[in-house]
Order: sequence, then C-alpha cells, then structure tokens
Amino acid sequence: NAGVMQNPRHLVRRRGQEARLRCSPMKGHSHVYWYRQLPEEGLKFMVYLQKENIIDESGMPKERFSAEFPKEGPSILRIQQVVRGDSAAYFCASSVTASSNQPQHFGDGTRLSIL
Amino acid sequence: GQQLNQSPQSMFIQEGEDVSMNCTSSSIFNTWLWYKQDPGEGPVLLIALYKAGELTSNGRLTAQFGITRKDSFLNISASIPSDVGIYFCAGPRDDKIIFGKGTRLHILP
Repeated sequence: NAGVMQNPRHLVRRRGQEARLRCSPMKGHSHVYWYRQLPEEGLKFMVYLQKENIIDESGMPKERFSAEFPKEGPSILRIQQVVRGDSAAYFCASSVTASSNQPQHFGDGTRLSIL
Repeated sequence: GQQLNQSPQSMFIQEGEDVSMNCTSSSIFNTWLWYKQDPGEGPVLLIALYKAGELTSNGRLTAQFGITRKDSFLNISASIPSDVGIYFCAGPRDDKIIFGKGTRLHILP
C-alpha cells in the first residue's frame, strides 16, 4: 500500500471527544475516497472528494461527520462527539481519475477505538 | 442497497491445496475487482476484470468475470502460508466501490 498515507494508524478517544483522521493521497492523485470497515464486514463507502470539493457524501452520516480535502495538505475526516459505535477501521483511497477503469489505491487505515 | 454476496465466509485448508471462492450480485457490474486484505492493512488489488467472460491470471491466482456480469470466482492454486487473509470481491458503482463481506482464508499448520 505504498503511496496512500494515513495517520494516525491507531487512535483512541473517549466518548464525546473529537477524532481527526488524515489521508495523503498518492502523488499525482486528486481524487480521495473514505471508507469505513466494521469487524467481520467489508468496506463501506462514506465520501468522495476532489481538491476542495465534496463530490459524493451519500455514505457519510449527516451529523457529527465531516470531510475536507483542501488545496494544500491532506484530506481530513472529522468525527465530532464520538460515540462507541464510531469504533471501526477507516480507510482512505485515492485515484488519478474517477473512471471505474482507474483503480483506487488504499492506505493502511486508521483504527479508531472509543472508550 | 447493492449487495455482493461472497461464499464461503471462511475456509480452512491445508497448505498446498487449491482454493475456490465466488461472488454473486443481484445487479450487473461492468467491472469486477478482487482485493486481498492482510491483518492491520488496507485492501490490495489482486485482479481486475473488465469484460464478461474474461478469465485473467495473476501468478497462482485466476479469476473469471461471469457471462451474466452478476458473478465472479477467484481460484488460488497450491496455497502457501502468505495466502492467509481476507479476500473481497468488489465492483465500482458510480464513484464508489461496493465491497462484499469477504472470504476469510485460514491455512492449517
């Protein structure tokens, strides 16, 4: 998974705190996707961003969750007032274009644990 | 919502055995993807299939895109310990990838 960098790899938060997850896409990739994986499940799409724009946020909860991909710097997935159910692995992927023939490359994820 | 159904959910095999797993969908996909996920890591693309009926190999892995575009299988020949992991089938839908729940491959000592 060289290329897509996610940090932190592990994040522990208490209920009510904020969690910030960062993703730096592969060099030359301007399309970023966030997915969530619960134990024993596949990855579920949350949000798709291009530089400075949210293109599709249909998989992201309307409350407490937000995402951004600024002109400079990494993409950020922000979860406010975390609850136990937010515990999961969050993966970021990037691609050169949004074409279905262009593969999405995944990072190694951030494992979020809520105490 | 869209679902990809993978079977079996888990497999326990001896080293050296061949492995076969499959994936079905109630709707058509124009591309099928097979990913492998090792513990603590993200999914890595193994094989991408773009045409109905296509049979593609990658080393000991072989995958086929079903004629109906609603199914695919993945075979692994002569399994080795590093094949352990979770294998996901997936399909692009608009700007996102839909994943199955995975087949967990275990190799018995």
